[in-house]
Amino acid sequence: NAGVMQNPRHLVRRRGQEARLRCSPMKGHSHVYWYRQLPEEGLKFMVYLQKENIIDESGMPKERFSAEFPKEGPSILRIQQVVRGDSAAYFCASSPGDSGDEQYFGPGTRLTVT
Amino acid sequence: GQSLEQPSEVTAVEGAIVQINCTYQTSGFYGLSWYQQHDGGAPTFLSYNALDGLEETGRFSSFLSRSDSYGYLLLQELQMKDSASYFCAHGGATNKLIFGTGTLLAVQP
Repeated sequence: NAGVMQNPRHLVRRRGQEARLRCSPMKGHSHVYWYRQLPEEGLKFMVYLQKENIIDESGMPKERFSAEFPKEGPSILRIQQVVRGDSAAYFCASSPGDSGDEQYFGPGTRLTVT
Repeated sequence: GQSLEQPSEVTAVEGAIVQINCTYQTSGFYGLSWYQQHDGGAPTFLSYNALDGLEETGRFSSFLSRSDSYGYLLLQELQMKDSASYFCAHGGATNKLIFGTGTLLAVQP
């Protein structure tokens, strides 16, 4: 059973470009979470999605950031017009049901904005 | 607000026992989880306490006291590979995890 997959693992973007981060949850998991981690800091919740629905986006900046989890395909975290402060590791996690206490994390995408 | 506080660093020697504490302030507390992260890699779930008391999983144990808003992770028979960052986290009504500040554990020979 493959784990949570994220791609790309490393992404470099110039200021003003768009970044698209993809996450495929574990097989059988329908709940996806995105977290951001700045260097030397803990993980900060961004958004929680189920198939085709955003359940909680309270941790996501109102501008430039969006997330989706379509019926088919991976979950996408999209950052428009990136700025240097967006440089971070973005982790995706998934869980099988509505008990989110045990979440399975992907390897992360390291975004660098130059 | 919601916050979970941990010591920033802990150092111990191989074979020893170490305790990593976590104190929290939350609303709508649903339980305390612990995660391990090596060198910025994928966090890995270690344990979860929904109720007061001790949960044991091999060399790792976790304790929760809801009345004291306090928990800890206990690592026994420390090995070099246990050197990592450890995070406590609590879940809320919408399943999102709020992570603590993290503790960097250094195991020395």
